[in-house]
Amino acid sequence: AQKVTQAQTEISVVEKEDVTLDCVYETRDTTYYLFWYKQPPSGELVFLIRRNSFDEQNEISGRYSWNFQKSTSSFNFTITASQVVDSAVYFCALGGTSYGKLTFGQGTILTVHP
Amino acid sequence: EAQVTQNPRYLITVTGKKLTVTCSQNMNHEYMSWYRQDPGLGLRQIYYSMNVEVTDKGDVPEGYKVSRKEKRNFPLILESPSPNQTSLYFCASIHEGQGDEQYFGPGTRLTVT
Repeated sequence: AQKVTQAQTEISVVEKEDVTLDCVYETRDTTYYLFWYKQPPSGELVFLIRRNSFDEQNEISGRYSWNFQKSTSSFNFTITASQVVDSAVYFCALGGTSYGKLTFGQGTILTVHP
Repeated sequence: EAQVTQNPRYLITVTGKKLTVTCSQNMNHEYMSWYRQDPGLGLRQIYYSMNVEVTDKGDVPEGYKVSRKEKRNFPLILESPSPNQTSLYFCASIHEGQGDEQYFGPGTRLTVT
């Protein structure tokens, strides 16, 4: 069975601080995909990144960066110089061979204070 | 523009009154899925469909039905809603069944009193 754990339920930071959201996953599949989604207060799910299991390169997109470590089954997300607009719920998710199903973590509520 | 639409966006209803949440996609995808989101639990899959007339249960199917008579539509049916089905529901459309980016609808916030 697949499982995703986001151990941080809530994180509160002050603007301009860096923040890392942790994600640990479990799967027996050798080919799988990892995702991060952002859910702002308006409620929609915003796709941030997809990474497949064969690509362990870290990725940077502006203030966002992702660290994929297969050895520790982790796919952590860092926001550099956080801004108030980053306040949202962030979900890590795992996809594999099961007809497009995603297994989501519990979500991390990030609050960035001015 | 590629999109997934859901209706209604908000619904307050009473226990036992049948309701349907519609979902439609314009991308000709074969795979579609329904999730519910609850605090502290993330999103959990309710049902999914691999093609027209092909559906199967996800992790939390109790109390729900689905149908897939046309490729573009995948309605979620609550025959006799109960308060524990109060939740935020998302429909998703998937290009292929294996790890591709999922296109999510805007969500339907359902309250059952």
